[in-house]
Amino acid sequence: GAVVSQHPSWVICKSGTSVKIECRSLDFQATTMFWYRQFPKQSLMLMATSNEGSKATYEQGVEKDKFLINHASLTLSTLTVTSAHPEDSSFYICSARDSSRTGSQSGELFFGEGSRLTVL
Amino acid sequence: GNSVTQMEGPVTLSEEAFLTINCTYTATGYPSLFWYVQYPGEGLQLLLKATKADDKGSNKGFEATYRKETTSFHLEKGSVQVSDSAVYFCALGRKAAGNKLTFGGGTRVLVKP
Repeated sequence: GAVVSQHPSWVICKSGTSVKIECRSLDFQATTMFWYRQFPKQSLMLMATSNEGSKATYEQGVEKDKFLINHASLTLSTLTVTSAHPEDSSFYICSARDSSRTGSQSGELFFGEGSRLTVL
Repeated sequence: GNSVTQMEGPVTLSEEAFLTINCTYTATGYPSLFWYVQYPGEGLQLLLKATKADDKGSNKGFEATYRKETTSFHLEKGSVQVSDSAVYFCALGRKAAGNKLTFGGGTRVLVKP
C-alpha cells in the first residue's frame, strides 16, 4: 500500500525557535496533502490543504504566518511552526492522496505516523 | 456544514466481547464515510469505508453499514481481541470538497484479556 512518512517523529524545542516537519509520500505522487493537528485525547483538526506548486489553503482560525506550508514537489510537503510557543505543542499529522488513483480508490487518503512537537 | 458525532469513550471490554461504536453524521450531498484506527504510538490507518447508501464496509472482522435514512455509520465487531485496543475515528469526506476529511472525536477502546 501507499506509504506516507513524517520526519521527525518527535521534536523538543525552546520557545521562540522554528521547527520544520516533513511529510513525504514514499511510493506515490501527491498533488494534495493535508495537515492536521491532534490535541491529547481529542480528534484531528484540519489545519490546511497543501497544494503542489501553489499556496496552501488554510482553515479558518489557523494563522498562515505561524504555520508555514510549502509543497515544492509531488512527494514532499513541509510544515514550519515559526516562533513556537508552548501552546503549539501538539501532535501534527499529514495525509496525502495518491494522484494516480481513480474511481473508487481516488478518494482514499494515506496518513503519516505523526510528529509530536513539545515546546519548552 | 459537515460534522461527525461518535460516542465518547473510553470503552472497556473483555476479549471476545461484542463491540459497537456509534457514529452519526451531518452533511450536504452524498459523502463517503470512513472508519480510521489509531494504534498506540502510530498514525491513522484506514480500517474500512463506504461510498454510497447501503454499502457495507468490512475489514479485519469489523463492519459498518452506510445508513442514509438514519445518517449513521456504526462500527461493529463480533469478537474483539486485545490487539483491537486503539482509538477509532469516524470520518466523512466529499470529493466536491477536495476529499478533506471531517473527523469525529474518536473513541478509545480498551480490550482486556
